Amino acid sequence: GEEVAQTPKHLVRGEGQKAKLYCAPIKGHSYVFWYQQVLKNEFKFLISFQNENVFDETGMPKERFSAKCLPNSPCSLEIQATKLEDSAVYFCASSPRGAEKLFFGSGTQLSVL
Amino acid sequence: ILNVEQSPQSLHVQEGDSTNFTCSFPSSNFYALHWYRWETAKSPEALFVMTLNGDEKKKGRISATLNTKEGYSYLYIKGSQPEDSATYLCALLNYGGSQGNLIFGKGTKLSVKP
Repeated sequence: GEEVAQTPKHLVRGEGQKAKLYCAPIKGHSYVFWYQQVLKNEFKFLISFQNENVFDETGMPKERFSAKCLPNSPCSLEIQATKLEDSAVYFCASSPRGAEKLFFGSGTQLSVL
Repeated sequence: ILNVEQSPQSLHVQEGDSTNFTCSFPSSNFYALHWYRWETAKSPEALFVMTLNGDEKKKGRISATLNTKEGYSYLYIKGSQPEDSATYLCALLNYGGSQGNLIFGKGTKLSVKP
């Protein structure tokens, strides 16, 4: 598609439940990035992919968070056993080549109650 | 941990005023500097990607400069309009080897009063 598609738009989970977020990058884009926006304006880098390979995962919490980008499927970000502090907007972005401008999706608002 | 600083945090100007704000970043291992415009309830949208020291880019009334040796970039808006109201984010790209991420500053929130 011509835009980065993130689903769902909103996700509500009880503490301890699993959350799974999806991102379909723009067709032809090789790089996918996930960001967590907790506080206003603060974008925290989580992980990036080059095609289906993890490119940089220095921002991923070691426990509970995992992500995949498999061929012919949307990319996913999964949080096991969600905590209250996981409440945030999760943005996905893609780019045709790693050093070029990012195209952002509209984000998934995760609320953990 | 790399730190990208933006100032001021927020700015209120009158329609027609010209304005500018700053993005500071570590100058070592520089690869690229991005500027994004982010309106409330929308996705951030790329304005510029700058890679070379001394680079100057322009898009309509908005322009940006880059100094990689001293680690700063300026964004200028000439003759601000209410529709320019948004948060302007800069981001430093670390890329190459095992690094592939964009570190964002906290943004400058611009409000333009008619």
